[in-house]
Amino acid sequence: GAGVSQSPSNKVTEKGKDVELRCDPISGHTALYWYRQSLGQGLEFLIYFQGNSAPDKSGLPSDRFSAERTGGSVSTLTIQRTQQEDSAVYLCASSLDGGNYYEQYFGPGTRLTVT
Amino acid sequence: SQKIEQNSEALNIQEGKTATLTCNYTNYSPAYLQWYRQDPGRGPVFLLLIRENEKEKRKERLKVTFDTTLKQSLFHITASQPADSATYLCALDGYGGSQGNLIFGKGTKLSVKP
Repeated sequence: GAGVSQSPSNKVTEKGKDVELRCDPISGHTALYWYRQSLGQGLEFLIYFQGNSAPDKSGLPSDRFSAERTGGSVSTLTIQRTQQEDSAVYLCASSLDGGNYYEQYFGPGTRLTVT
Repeated sequence: SQKIEQNSEALNIQEGKTATLTCNYTNYSPAYLQWYRQDPGRGPVFLLLIRENEKEKRKERLKVTFDTTLKQSLFHITASQPADSATYLCALDGYGGSQGNLIFGKGTKLSVKP
């Protein structure tokens, strides 16, 4: 079956521009996560959606970052006024439910380069 | 402060040997711990989950242990093969079993030489 998909796979943008990254989770998965992975670093949690509950935004590094999830399915991560330190691979994952006894299924990521 | 550490950034072993990867944590009380494999340019792929009340979990050539007293998990790959070369990530439940995100270690890059 279809896994988690993300688009675009690569994005190069100029400093100061806004970018939108998209995630299509596995159908029926109620939990959706965004992570960021910089070179040589582990996965850094950004934001977590569970069903209709308010998202956990505790990992967002600044107010330039925001995310929404429409209809409990597709999610968009928006970075406004991008900075060079935003360059990283942005990974989306979904799981059947939000408890951490469920495995997370990851997409291939979006590689963001800010020039 | 809360930390999760994978002790080796890189581990090189000979084909056929057992690879042992270590994950230590401090100031967490996870109810679950998971291990993932990540190949270059790809997202992590789930391998195993172990609960706090389980000492050991096996799947084919993989074995995970979880010692909540030592605050440590060990991940073993027996009869290792070059195809096992990848980065392995441990991830723990940062909320004691409640819903929330996983906390990931930085990973150990395993290289299995033929």
